[in-house]
Amino acid sequence: NAGVTQTPKFRILKIGQSMTLQCAQDMNHNYMYWYRQDPGMGLKLIYYSVGAGITDKGEVPNGYNVSRSTTEDFPLRLELAAPSQTSVYFCASSSRQDFNQPQHFGDGTRLSIL
Amino acid sequence: AQTVTQSQPEMSVQEAETVTLSCTYDTSESDYYLFWYKQPPSRQMILVIRQEAYKQQNATENRFSVNFQKAAKSFSLKISDSQLGDAAMYFCAYSWGNFNKFYFGSGTKLNVKP
Repeated sequence: NAGVTQTPKFRILKIGQSMTLQCAQDMNHNYMYWYRQDPGMGLKLIYYSVGAGITDKGEVPNGYNVSRSTTEDFPLRLELAAPSQTSVYFCASSSRQDFNQPQHFGDGTRLSIL
Repeated sequence: AQTVTQSQPEMSVQEAETVTLSCTYDTSESDYYLFWYKQPPSRQMILVIRQEAYKQQNATENRFSVNFQKAAKSFSLKISDSQLGDAAMYFCAYSWGNFNKFYFGSGTKLNVKP
């Protein structure tokens, strides 16, 4: 039972480069989320999706894009990497079956932009 | 806007003793959910306990219990018989609405002394 799988675990980017953080879940969850966690801080919601083809902005969406073509996958794209995007990124998912279920988290991707 | 505040950046407890972590939140909603997550150095986000706002009874999970004061918008976590494995960052989170979006506090680092 894999749960939520994020790849890669670590990545170093140069300013201006682009990359996609991958997230996949095998629990058939409708809801998926991307968060960033800056040092010493809590998690901030970047984007979320309530189902395939439906996405919406969270608290800190600037500089990111998402897509949701399948229930399982929810990739996060950085188009022009900036030092301010150095952070740990978490993907999470939850079920829609019961109201306000706990979110299940991946192990995170540590991203450094130099 | 929903905000979650954890006013204790770091706390220490002796092994086998009891410690209480504080959390307050700001909301105008009457129905919502509150969570405590544990984040050990491995970076995993592990659900500790969950409380529904419509329930007056405080949630308990083995050595973990909460003191939920709805009028005061307070949601503290009590850890009894502290163990070395309890050392971690603890995040309080608030959830409201159909899409199960979470709002996190900035976290409390718990140290457990042998």
